[in-house]
This record gives sequence, structure tokens and C-alpha cells, in this order.
Amino acid sequence: DTAVSQTPKYLVTQMGNDKSIKCEQNLGHDTMYWYKQDSKKFLKIMFSYNNKELIINETVPNRFSPKSPDKAHLNLHINSLELGDSAVYFCASSRDTGELFFGEGSRLTVL
Amino acid sequence: GESVGLHLPTLSVQEGDNSIINCAYSNSASDYFIWYKQESGKGPQFIIDIRSNMDKRQGQRVTVLLNKTVKHLSLQIAATQPGDSAVYFCAEKGPSPKLSFGAGTTVTVRA
Repeated sequence: DTAVSQTPKYLVTQMGNDKSIKCEQNLGHDTMYWYKQDSKKFLKIMFSYNNKELIINETVPNRFSPKSPDKAHLNLHINSLELGDSAVYFCASSRDTGELFFGEGSRLTVL
Repeated sequence: GESVGLHLPTLSVQEGDNSIINCAYSNSASDYFIWYKQESGKGPQFIIDIRSNMDKRQGQRVTVLLNKTVKHLSLQIAATQPGDSAVYFCAEKGPSPKLSFGAGTTVTVRA
């Protein structure tokens, strides 16, 4: 019944590794997002897809690559992880002009 | 209790009192505003929204006020309860699909 679900909830990994976070929404929304929340709770948008098409691509290192196989899924792949990538990553979805519905977050810790 | 000025990172309020959380937004083209509540370990949850053609909107125990002249948004919580303890974010959206978040305000309710 979870509207926006992301996995894994926790991820601990070493510097230099490659990891992915998956997101799925069952709300029938056309638009999905990835946000990064730092240790000071600041939420910053990274990417947004509308019907599998990239519509927002903020200034994010190209080590981060989103992939949307269909409009219900938006995955985030991160290459060559760095210490500064440690954060909580939130997936969200929305109808075109409405509120965003967020997942529970994936806490990434890079050692 | 009230956060004074543009923004305070924390607000402590006595249970049963009213809370006022203030937010200054930056983009004069923004036409949609949302308040989110984030509890510890969870994703942001929608509280209430308002469009730029309104200056006040009420929900259950919450009221949002919008002053477009000074680009100011506030959230009023009536009869604050322990369950209201959380981080509160204002967010703005303009013609683009990007929803931009302000820095959060941590509300702590004293018994």
C-alpha cells in the first residue's frame, strides 16, 4: 500500500564503490524526483523525470545518473562514491501541478 | 510561540499554545506554495498548500498565510500538541516543475 517506496532504507559502503537506490510509486503520477537532504536537513532537488523524460537536472556531479525504465520507477545510480555523498536521498512523485509525495528516504553512509 | 524575522532554525512552544512558523521565499514568479512536516526518520509529509491567487487558507488546526508583496509565508498551528514536534519546511514552485525548499524550522513542543 506504500505510495512511494524506495530501497534500500540504509546503505553503508566504502569510498570508490558504485551503488544504486531504487524508487517505485503506485500513485499513477507522471513526474518523479530525487532530492538530497544533507546533515543540516536542507533539501535540494537533483533530478526530475516526466513520463520517462528528464526535465530537471540540477548541478549534480555526473557520477550521479538517474534512470527511469517506466513512469512508475526512477532509480539513482552513483559511481565512485565520495565521503560528501553521505546524505539521505528522497524519492518523490507528483501530478503535474500538485504536491509532491515523498518516500521514507534512503540513508547513504560512505566510509 | 513564533519564529521571529525571516527564519529561525528552532522554535520551542508550550503544549496547547499556538505556533507560528515564518518563511521568506525568493522567487517572485512562484505561484504555488506548500508546507511540509518531517518527523524523525521519515520523509516530508504534506500539511497544506496555497496558490498565489489566495492570501489565506485553513486546514485542520493549521492556517497558511501568504503575503506576496513581501514574499512571506507563514504556518500557524493552533493548540500545538506533542505530535506536532518535527521539522517544518516551506516550499515554492513557479512555472517550472521544480519545487524548491527553504531551510527547515525544528519545532519542539514542551509538555
